[in-house]
Amino acid sequence: DGGITQSPKYLFRKEGQNVTLSCEQNLNHDAMYWYRQDPGQGLRLIYYSQIVNDFQKGDIAEGYSVSREKKESFPLTVTSAQKNPTAFYLCASSVTDLISNQPQHFGDGTRLSIL
Amino acid sequence: DQQVKQNSPSLSVQEGRISILNCDYTNSMFDYFLWYKKYPAEGPTFLISISSIKDKNEDGRFTVFLNKSAKHLSLHIVPSQPGDSAVYFCAASIIQGAQKLVFGQGTRLTINP
Repeated sequence: DGGITQSPKYLFRKEGQNVTLSCEQNLNHDAMYWYRQDPGQGLRLIYYSQIVNDFQKGDIAEGYSVSREKKESFPLTVTSAQKNPTAFYLCASSVTDLISNQPQHFGDGTRLSIL
Repeated sequence: DQQVKQNSPSLSVQEGRISILNCDYTNSMFDYFLWYKKYPAEGPTFLISISSIKDKNEDGRFTVFLNKSAKHLSLHIVPSQPGDSAVYFCAASIIQGAQKLVFGQGTRLTINP
């Protein structure tokens, strides 16, 4: 079955620690995205990538970093510079991000909590 | 600056009746609108979309209506079923170098038996 796999489902971080969230897709999609969801809020875009070895900042990129070395993989690192990292993180992909009517397909998310 | 707003955090509807979820937007440059459904601890699932040049799109029990002059869209579910209980997000799409989806805050729909 094609889809997006995020791991782990739950992650705990100590203060001052960097953590990396995994996102893998086997849909052969060019574009990939990372969103953050906080209670009572919509999804906010952290980073996106249109092609391999290229990525762009979204609306709330501070304290996060990404890489796109392979088409199917788009890991997100939450650095110690992110002051409020507790949230639900969602990875998404789409065939292309150059057409407005392309729905983005989401993984099941990673819930990050601070110890 | 909340460009997409869902003003009702929750909605409760009896099974078999119509559910109407509302969404307002401010940016007239949005050219597609999408609805997503989300169950707890899962990612959102795409439900239905509508182009800004249309005023209605229907798919089975789901219909989306767009009123461009009012910058308002709504999702109608009829008849409502228990499995429809979820959080519904409306999203607006715009191409700014790449596609950007701007999401509303979500509405939690509960279908009562």
